Order: sequence, then structure tokens, then C-alpha cells
Amino acid sequence: AQSVAQPEDQVNVAEGNPLTVKCTYSVSGNPYLFWYVQYPNRGLQFLLKYITGDNLVKGSYGFEAEFNKSQTSFHLKKPSALVSDSALYFCAVRFGGYNKLIFGAGTRLAVHP
Amino acid sequence: NAGVTQTPKFRILKIGQSMTLQCAQDMNHNYMYWYRQDPGMGLKLIYYSVGAGITDKGEVPNGYNVSRSTTEDFPLRLELAAPSQTSVYFCASSYSPQYEQYFGPGTRLTVT
Repeated sequence: AQSVAQPEDQVNVAEGNPLTVKCTYSVSGNPYLFWYVQYPNRGLQFLLKYITGDNLVKGSYGFEAEFNKSQTSFHLKKPSALVSDSALYFCAVRFGGYNKLIFGAGTRLAVHP
Repeated sequence: NAGVTQTPKFRILKIGQSMTLQCAQDMNHNYMYWYRQDPGMGLKLIYYSVGAGITDKGEVPNGYNVSRSTTEDFPLRLELAAPSQTSVYFCASSYSPQYEQYFGPGTRLTVT
């Protein structure tokens, strides 16, 4: 079955340290992969996506993600976390010819001063 | 350019009542989606549309209906509201499936 997993409910990191939010997927064919961020009482905002090409994708607010086909992963990273990065992060995947996304359950990122 | 707009922002319904959640986009996107987000959970797709006059079910369509008479509007209808429909509802649109989705601010619905 097609699925997306975000294995960590919450990630805690100190401001200035690097952060990683994990995402793995299980789909047939070549996936399209997305990261979104949700701030409190707001809709989701697009951060970055992988369709094809370079495995390292750069996105908004200094975030980047690495597509790893052998490990079926698409982890979100940032070299130096900010307190303002604290939010809920969602990984999503589109597979095959489907017109819709499957979202992971979300990971809450808490960046402490 | 307003993006994706949703009304109302908040609503409280009694069990058995009906309502329509409105969604509009001004980006000329063909694809539109309705999701629900329950506390501590990810998004579940309710219905989606690939263009005016074309709609299809998502993961959790029971208790909901949609229509798409124009490119801009994609209302979600709740018939006979139930407590299980208490949730935050998000509308989204995209140019095509390989492009990012743009989300509205959400409607917080409580059914009591």
C-alpha cells in the first residue's frame, strides 16, 4: 500500500544547531515529494519539492531536503535552526498518475533558545 | 491576488444540521481539494476536483458532498452533521498535481 511515514512526533533542537525532520515513503513508481509547514491556526505553506533531478533540493526559509531513492527517504534539513522555525511539518507524496497527495501525520519541531 | 479563501472561519453546528463551507481561489487552478485535520493528526482528503464539473472521492468522503460549477469555487456540503465531523477543514488548489498546493486559512467546525 502507498504510505508516508514521519517516525518522530516531535523533534527538539537548540537554536543555532542543525535540524533534521525525517520522512520515509512506500510507493510504486517515481514519487513526487513535498514538504509543508503549518504555523498555529494557519493553513499549510509549501516549503520545497522533489520531482526529478538533483537529489538535494533547496526551498524556502533556508530549508533543504535530500531525496534518497535506495532508502526511500526525503528528510528535511536546516543547517542552523531558529526559534521561529518552531511549527508542525508535513511530508507528502504523490505517486503514479494519481491526482492527489498522501500526507504524513506531521512532526512538531520545537526550537529552544 | 487573494489566493485561496475560505468562509466561515468558525462555526458551531448542532447534530443533524447542515451547512456549506465555501472555498474560492483566484489563481485559475484546475485542481482543488478539501481536507480535514483532526487534532494531532495529519490531513485526510475528503474530495477533490480536477476541473469544473469533475469531482472525485478522497479517503473520507462519507457525510460530505461537493460541486464544482466554476473553476474558482469548490464548496463542501455537510448534510446531517455528526460529532465525528468536528474538525478543521482546509481547502487547497494547485495548477497540476506535480505543483505545490496552496492552502486556505481553514474553517474550524464544532458539532455538538
